[in-house]
Parts: sequence; C-alpha cells; structure tokens
Amino acid sequence: DQQVKQNSPSLSVQEGRISILNCDYTNSMFDYFLWYKKYPAEGPTFLISISSIKDKNEDGRFTVFLNKSAKHLSLHIVPSQPGDSAVYFCAASPDYDKVIFGPGTSLSVIP
Amino acid sequence: NAGVTQTPKFQVLKTGQSMTLQCAQDMNHEYMSWYRQDPGMGLRLIHYSVGAGITDQGEVPNGYNVSRSTTEDFPLRLLSAAPSQTSVYFCASSFRDRSLHGYTFGSGTRLTVV
Repeated sequence: DQQVKQNSPSLSVQEGRISILNCDYTNSMFDYFLWYKKYPAEGPTFLISISSIKDKNEDGRFTVFLNKSAKHLSLHIVPSQPGDSAVYFCAASPDYDKVIFGPGTSLSVIP
Repeated sequence: NAGVTQTPKFQVLKTGQSMTLQCAQDMNHEYMSWYRQDPGMGLRLIHYSVGAGITDQGEVPNGYNVSRSTTEDFPLRLLSAAPSQTSVYFCASSFRDRSLHGYTFGSGTRLTVV
C-alpha cells in the first residue's frame, strides 16, 4: 500500500495560470516533506521542502502547503511557465535516512 | 562539476547475468542511496548508507547488494539479473541532516534485462 499518494497522474495548465499539485500521505510519523521535479532522461532535482512544524513554505514561484490534520500537502506554482513542464514527485520522510516517494504527477504547461 | 555520477547510462543484460552499477559523489555527503523508478510506482528505495562501512535495506532490496568502502562510492550489484529488474536506477546523496536541500540525484542508469 502506497504511503505517499499522488492521485492525479497528469495535469495541464495554461501558461501564466496557477498549477496546483496535490499529495496525500498515510503515515502520521512523517515529519518532513519534499517536492522534486524531473525532466525526461535526467535525475530528479530538489524543488522545495517543508517541516511538519510549519504549514507553508515559499520559494519564489513555488509554495508548499501542509495540512497535517488532513495528511495532505500541495505544491502551488504561480505563474506557471512552459519550462515547468515536468514530472513532480511528492516525498515524505519519517527520519533522517528514509524518504518515501509518491508515483508522480506529470505537469504540462501550455503556451 | 560537483555532483553524483552514475555509470553506465544504459545497459542490456541477459537473465542470470550479474553486473555492478557505479555511483560516485564528490560533495563529501555522508548519506547515499539507490532508488529504482518504474511506471506508476514512483521511486522506490533499494538500499542506503549513512557512512562508509554502514549499509541498510530499503523497500525493495531483494536481488541487490551494496557496499560502502569509501565516502565517495556506493556501487549497486545485481547478483543474477531478472526481467523484473528492468528499470531506471537512480543514485542519490545528501548530508545526513534535516537541511532544506534534499537529495542530489545522478542522471540515472536505464537497465533492460532480456
């Protein structure tokens, strides 16, 4: 059973609009959450993270929101750009040494 | 350039053959790990290491061995390749803390077992 779920395999958004990628988790012991971005034929690259003691973290156009009671987090990209088209992985960690990844959401930003 | 280097980029094996996927990092990271990526499954942890001489199993360790004799290198060995091991393999490294920098990943090895 997947501990980190990304229920939307794909998402299409117009350039300039907001992209919202969602992630749900089942393990209440997760206390650190990350988003990675992956282009084809490349390794994932770290995008943004959030600790469970926070409910929001912002870095430029990217904001991650955490709702611990709902075991839900989301990544907002505003404004979306064509170069944001990639697969986005949500990940969660219960300790220093293990990070559990979701299945990914493929984002297409249409010019 | 600093980062994680994986070799080879592509490999085709016959069932039953063995091989080693190489991973090296030059950032003095304590933590290194191997993931496999399969469609619809995301990235699944195979093995990880928190320092030279220390390794542990992840979610899907069967059929794979690792060792960590130096801080820089973390090879992944397939003992007897099976078609179920056809996948894209990623090596990652990081400092072993809760910094906000996440993992640095290599560019991957695409393995096909026929």
